[in-house]
Amino acid sequence: AQSVAQPEDQVNVAEGNPLTVKCTYSVSGNPYLFWYVQYPNRGLQFLLKYITGDNLVKGSYGFEAEFNKSQTSFHLKKPSALVSDSALYFCAAGGATNKLIFGTGTLLAVQP
Amino acid sequence: GAVVSQHPSRVICKSGTSVKIECRSLDFQATTMFWYRQFPKQSLMLMATSNEGSKATYEQGVEKDKFLINHASLTLSTLTVTSAHPEDSSFYICSARNSQGGGELFFGEGSRLTVL
Repeated sequence: AQSVAQPEDQVNVAEGNPLTVKCTYSVSGNPYLFWYVQYPNRGLQFLLKYITGDNLVKGSYGFEAEFNKSQTSFHLKKPSALVSDSALYFCAAGGATNKLIFGTGTLLAVQP
Repeated sequence: GAVVSQHPSRVICKSGTSVKIECRSLDFQATTMFWYRQFPKQSLMLMATSNEGSKATYEQGVEKDKFLINHASLTLSTLTVTSAHPEDSSFYICSARNSQGGGELFFGEGSRLTVL
């Protein structure tokens, strides 16, 4: 069965420090991987995706993610966190089926 | 980027009534739309896949007679919660994939349903 794991419910980081939000996946076929961000009582905003090509994917707001096939991971990163980055982040994966499966979400808290 | 509009953003209804939520793709055609439900502090649960011109495909455990989905055009899907009960109170989010796009889903802003 397809699944996405986000092992951390919450990540705390000081403003200006680098941040990492972890994600691992299990899908059939070649994976399609996505990161989304959600602010309170809002829908999800697309950040970035990996379909094929370079393993390092750059997205919106300075975020990037690295696809690691051997570790089945797609961790989200940013070199320097901002307080405004504080939100709920979802990793999602699709494979041979048309559906996207979402992880449980990681709350990112950036302290000033 | 592509825009998906969802309406209403908030709705309060009495138990036993029905509520309709609309999802529109504003600047692209979407042959497939998805309806999710999100409980507080939890992830998105896929409820059903809405297919233009045909019946929706429901996920296991989702009552199709309870959550009616209609995808009458390439830009509009509707979710109707019938005979709503307090346990149906939730945040419902729709999404659509641009048929000509790169595979990512674009999400509506969500609809907060409260059943009294």
